[in-house]
Amino acid sequence: AQKITQTQPGMFVQEKEAVTLDCTYDTSDPSYGLFWYKQPSSGEMIFLIYQGSYDQQNATEGRYSLNFQKARKSANLVISASQLGDSAMYFCAMREGRSGGSYIPTFGRGTSLIVHP
Amino acid sequence: DTGVSQNPRHKITKRGQNVTFRCDPISEHNRLYWYRQTLGQGPEFLTYFQNEAQLEKSRLLSDRFSAERPKGSFSTLEIQRTEQGDSAMYLCASSFGQNSPLHFGNGTRLTVT
Repeated sequence: AQKITQTQPGMFVQEKEAVTLDCTYDTSDPSYGLFWYKQPSSGEMIFLIYQGSYDQQNATEGRYSLNFQKARKSANLVISASQLGDSAMYFCAMREGRSGGSYIPTFGRGTSLIVHP
Repeated sequence: DTGVSQNPRHKITKRGQNVTFRCDPISEHNRLYWYRQTLGQGPEFLTYFQNEAQLEKSRLLSDRFSAERPKGSFSTLEIQRTEQGDSAMYLCASSFGQNSPLHFGNGTRLTVT
């Protein structure tokens, strides 16, 4: 079974608009962490935002916020005021707490975001 | 913080040859990960080190693949008898502590002809 599901292969948004990228996850572990990464066409993976399973508040980092709905097992990324430079692949990842504590992050297949001027 | 460094950036090799990639993590990071990424996919986990100990290996890591992290600093990933299916981007990442984010290098793109 997929641990991380990103159902939107591609998204388009107008510059300065907000956009939501969906991510659902599957785990029975009560302790886990959720991450979002951005991968521009140049290839580097850039960390954007982190949400821990016990965090009470949704994470925010500048224009990025994470809409964490624990009961629905969703961790959607919201980008406010999109910019042309936001055009990239976006990956959702989860790190579970395991016996042995290796905490290996598992990634989704990604969503391609294109920002139109 | 000079970031995670990977060499080479690109490698073209003929099927059957051996290749070795190097990763230099952020100096204070004790955890090091190797991932593989093919076109249109997310990174797939290959192997993980905590300091010099290789603690986990994916089933994707066939016996043609070997990784080392001597002295808990840089790491190497070797692929023996390369196959065309090995063509991919090989990503290295490091982190400090189990809840900190992974910092990725720019990757090594392998093309097997």
